[in-house]
Order: sequence, then structure tokens, then C-alpha cells
Amino acid sequence: AQSVTQLDSQVPVFEEAPVELRCNYSSSVSVYLFWYVQYPNQGLQLLLKYLSGSTLVKGINGFEAEFNKSQTSFHLRKPSVHISDTAEYFCAVTTGMNTGFQKLVFGTGTRLLVSP
Amino acid sequence: NAGVTQTPKFQVLKTGQSMTLQCAQDMNHNSMYWYRQDPGMGLRLIYYSASEGTTDKGEVPNGYNVSRLNKREFSLRLESAAPSQTSVYFCASSELRGSQETQYFGPGTRLLVL
Repeated sequence: AQSVTQLDSQVPVFEEAPVELRCNYSSSVSVYLFWYVQYPNQGLQLLLKYLSGSTLVKGINGFEAEFNKSQTSFHLRKPSVHISDTAEYFCAVTTGMNTGFQKLVFGTGTRLLVSP
Repeated sequence: NAGVTQTPKFQVLKTGQSMTLQCAQDMNHNSMYWYRQDPGMGLRLIYYSASEGTTDKGEVPNGYNVSRLNKREFSLRLESAAPSQTSVYFCASSELRGSQETQYFGPGTRLLVL
């Protein structure tokens, strides 16, 4: 079974500073990886996803993530954050096997707090 | 194009009461999902429907039932609410049922069971 670990429950950062949100996964088979963002009182929105190919994936709002198979990681980065990036970020994994539905396993989330 | 819509946005129930959470999508998606979100636990799958006319249990189905009324609508029913079902409930949909598909989420229903 897959699992996802987001070690940081909260990451405070100043505006225009770089940020990295960490995500590690465990799986015995190949995986697809996703980062979702949840703004206050809203549903989840896809930031980016890794399916195959280049290990560096670019998403919306200037975010990017790098898939590292040897480290079983999929860390999310942004070189310069904005106040509007304040939100909760979820890493999720699913296996590459089409079992009839997409069983996404979510991490517990990391709250990014951007202050002026 | 509203995407995924959920009603109600908020609900307070007493233990033992029943209610149905409604979800609809206008993207012509085949697959629909119900999740619950609890503090420190991320999102957990309750039920899913891979296509119209089919439903299956997810990770935490106990205490819930679902109905895929048609391709657009997927409802979640609590027959006898318990305080442990206090949570935020999200509905999601995806076009196909493959692992590569992006799921699109509704805004959520906040449920408090007293």
C-alpha cells in the first residue's frame, strides 16, 4: 500500500523568500504524484502532477516539484512566494495501475503562512 | 461552467439525525468521489463511482451510503449521524478512471454533529 508523509505541518515564510514543502512517499510499485492547494474555505485545486518523463515538473502560480525516485520524494518549491500563496498544500500519490478508479492517498497537509 | 458544486455549505445535526449531501458536476465526467477531511489526517476516500450506475467503497465507508443518480449527480447519505462524522466533506470528479486523471474538487460541506 502507498503512503505519503508531509513532515512539516506548518511552514512560515516571509514574502519574496523561497520555500520548499517536503513530501516523501512509499510504494512498492511505480507511482503518479500530485500536489494540490487548498485556499481558505475552498476545495482542492491541482498545482502540478508527475506522471512520467522529466523529473522536474512545473505547475501553476510559479510552483515546481522534482521527482526523486531514489529518495522517494516529491518536494514542492517556489523561488519567491507571495502573500496570496498562503494556503494548505497536499501531496498525493496513486499507483500506475489502472484498477478501475484513481485511489489517491493524501498526505496530512502543510500549511504555508506567508507574512509581509 | 460551475465545475463541481456541493450543497449545503454548512450543516449542524443532532446525533441520530439523517441527511443527504448533494454533489453535481457539469464537466461530463465519468468518475465521482466522496472524501472527508479531518484535522491532521488529510483527505480519506469514503465512496467512489467509476461510472454511472456503479458505486464502490473507499477507505472509510462505514456509516455512509451513496447514490449515483445520473452522470451528473452523486449524493452521500448519513442515515444516523454520529459525532465522529463531524468533518468537512468534499466531492470530486474526474473524466476517466485512470490513475493519471486529475480530480476536480467541490468547495466542501462543513458538517457538525452534536
